[in-house]
Amino acid sequence: DVKVTQSSRYLVKRTGEKVFLECVQDMDHENMFWYRQDPGLGLRLIYFSYDVKMKEKGDIPEGYSVSREKKERFSLILESASTNQTSMYLCASSSSGFSTDTQYFGPGTRLTVL
Amino acid sequence: DQQVKQNSPSLSVQEGRISILNCDYTNSMFDYFLWYKKYPAEGPTFLISISSIKDKNEDGRFTVFLNKSAKHLSLHIVPSQPGDSAVYFCAASPSKGKGNLIFGKGTKLSVKP
Repeated sequence: DVKVTQSSRYLVKRTGEKVFLECVQDMDHENMFWYRQDPGLGLRLIYFSYDVKMKEKGDIPEGYSVSREKKERFSLILESASTNQTSMYLCASSSSGFSTDTQYFGPGTRLTVL
Repeated sequence: DQQVKQNSPSLSVQEGRISILNCDYTNSMFDYFLWYKKYPAEGPTFLISISSIKDKNEDGRFTVFLNKSAKHLSLHIVPSQPGDSAVYFCAASPSKGKGNLIFGKGTKLSVKP
């Protein structure tokens, strides 16, 4: 069974704080992804990585950065949290770089920025 | 511009009947399509997929149909059960992409007992 875990299910932070969201997968997947899900907007891709130390911007990278130092771990960083970053954050992984691979999701982190 | 569209935000169906969830796409370079199911406060779980070389894929109560000429796919659930109540996301994979998926905005299915 593929397992993707996220460091926290619920997180409350204050405006201006630096926030780290951690994601770990145990299937030796090359690709990892960070999405945010908001009502009426679906899943929007923030960043993805197809190899260690590699990263690519998704559709909404502004205000976020990522780190992939090890293959199994992909971190999302909010440098200075703002209230409009209150959202459900979802991490996913998949096994190879091209076309047909299914992404497996973690349980999500519900982040509230006050 | 939305490349994957789920035009119905919600759908309500009686238990035992068929649920049909629809998805349209605009990019003819998509070559693989997936459906995910999501319960509140959980991550999406993979449900079923279809390659662009096929027009139908079936897995138990779930069948996905692909009409490439119309750039349309649909998910049929027969018979629908109350436990199927969730948000369903359609996703598409670009050919020669890097593994990223393009998601629709989702359709919330409610199956009433």
